[in-house]
Amino acid sequence: GENVEQHPSTLSVQEGDSAVIKCTYSDSASNYFPWYKQELGKGPQLIIDIRSNVGEKKDQRIAVTLNKTAKHFSLHITETQPEDSAVYFCAASNDRGSTLGRLYFGRGTQLTVWP
Amino acid sequence: DVKVTQSSRYLVKRTGEKVFLECVQDMDHENMFWYRQDPGLGLRLIYFSYDVKMKEKGDIPEGYSVSREKKERFSLILESASTNQTSMYLCASSLGTSGGVEQYFGPGTRLTVT
Repeated sequence: GENVEQHPSTLSVQEGDSAVIKCTYSDSASNYFPWYKQELGKGPQLIIDIRSNVGEKKDQRIAVTLNKTAKHFSLHITETQPEDSAVYFCAASNDRGSTLGRLYFGRGTQLTVWP
Repeated sequence: DVKVTQSSRYLVKRTGEKVFLECVQDMDHENMFWYRQDPGLGLRLIYFSYDVKMKEKGDIPEGYSVSREKKERFSLILESASTNQTSMYLCASSLGTSGGVEQYFGPGTRLTVT
């Protein structure tokens, strides 16, 4: 099955700086890569996703890049703010395979943004 | 907006008790999932379901069972709770074959087994 590794496990940045979280995956058939944000006391929520036919996607201060050859994808947050502090999870999925609908998650990154 | 609700936010049970965790989604989603979340281990899939009365084992099914009698409801059952099942339990749902794999999560149930 798919194996997703995520680094770093913790990340501290000063407000206004950029933050980058990296993930690798093992199954070349994976074609959908979402990122989830989990705030304290809440369930994870999708913040951005990318499909394998796209190399980069941006939504305001967040962006995701995908390198299919190297099997890695990254989340970039610019101009970080204290409210960006949360646990971030990457995931991978093959939406045309036998395990349709299953997401394989990384272990998460605790991001802390200091004011 | 999709809403996934879980029956309890906090639950305390004793070793050996049978425990039911309930999850309900209101958007007619085909797929439903149960995860447990532990520090440093991320989200681990226990069981998932593609349809009513259908279930598939995830990565850590031992000690758990599930029930899906209605499309909107997916229950996680701990037949005989043990202390190593103390954890945060998260339910999720997704549209399925008709509409994609984005998963919507409930707020979680923090279960303590003493």
